[in-house]
Amino acid sequence: DAGVTQSPTHLIKTRGQQVTLRCSPISGHKSVSWYQQVLGQGPQFIFQYYEKEERGRGNFPDRFSARQFPNYSSELNVNALLLGDSALYLCASSLRLAPSYNEQFFGPGTRLTVL
Amino acid sequence: AQSVSQHNHHVILSEAASLELGCNYSYGGTVNLFWYVQYPGQHLQLLLKYFSGDPLVKGIKGFEAEFIKSKFSFNLRKPSVQWSDTAEYFCAVNANTGGFKTIFGAGTRLFVKA
Repeated sequence: DAGVTQSPTHLIKTRGQQVTLRCSPISGHKSVSWYQQVLGQGPQFIFQYYEKEERGRGNFPDRFSARQFPNYSSELNVNALLLGDSALYLCASSLRLAPSYNEQFFGPGTRLTVL
Repeated sequence: AQSVSQHNHHVILSEAASLELGCNYSYGGTVNLFWYVQYPGQHLQLLLKYFSGDPLVKGIKGFEAEFIKSKFSFNLRKPSVQWSDTAEYFCAVNANTGGFKTIFGAGTRLFVKA
């Protein structure tokens, strides 16, 4: 079975540009979460989507947005890129909404570099 | 606000040594607790988790963790490490308010010398 897939693998953008990152969850999983991992730190929660609705949001500015499609895949959009947005962006999927008796599976991430 | 502190950023051990990685969290309510591991070149994966019940939790590959509520701690242990345990370990907490809004610690890089 395929795990969580993310595209692209790497991306280089300049300040002020916009970027879209994509995630395909494990087949049958209805929840997708996005995390930002800056070098030397642990992942920081950005969003969770479940059944196409936003179910959780972390402390990120409005430049960050996401959506989930009917096939449960998801996109993360970041507008007006800043140098500080350079990070590894992780997507995680799970079968159900909450962690109880439910595991979150992580993808390989998209490495975003902002110049 | 919730936070997670991992006491050591880098740990170097010889094979067969015992391991204990410290983790403390700040949150007053009911929590779910996790340890994740990231082996070199691999995805982040779940090592073990605590939701309720027995505070001593056993995970994969011989790892265990103990939840001590009074100390807000969830330390990871392994009696005898192997070279293959070389990885980065993350402690994480979820506030059990529904959803996967999970707060991660900064991680501990473990290097096991063969």
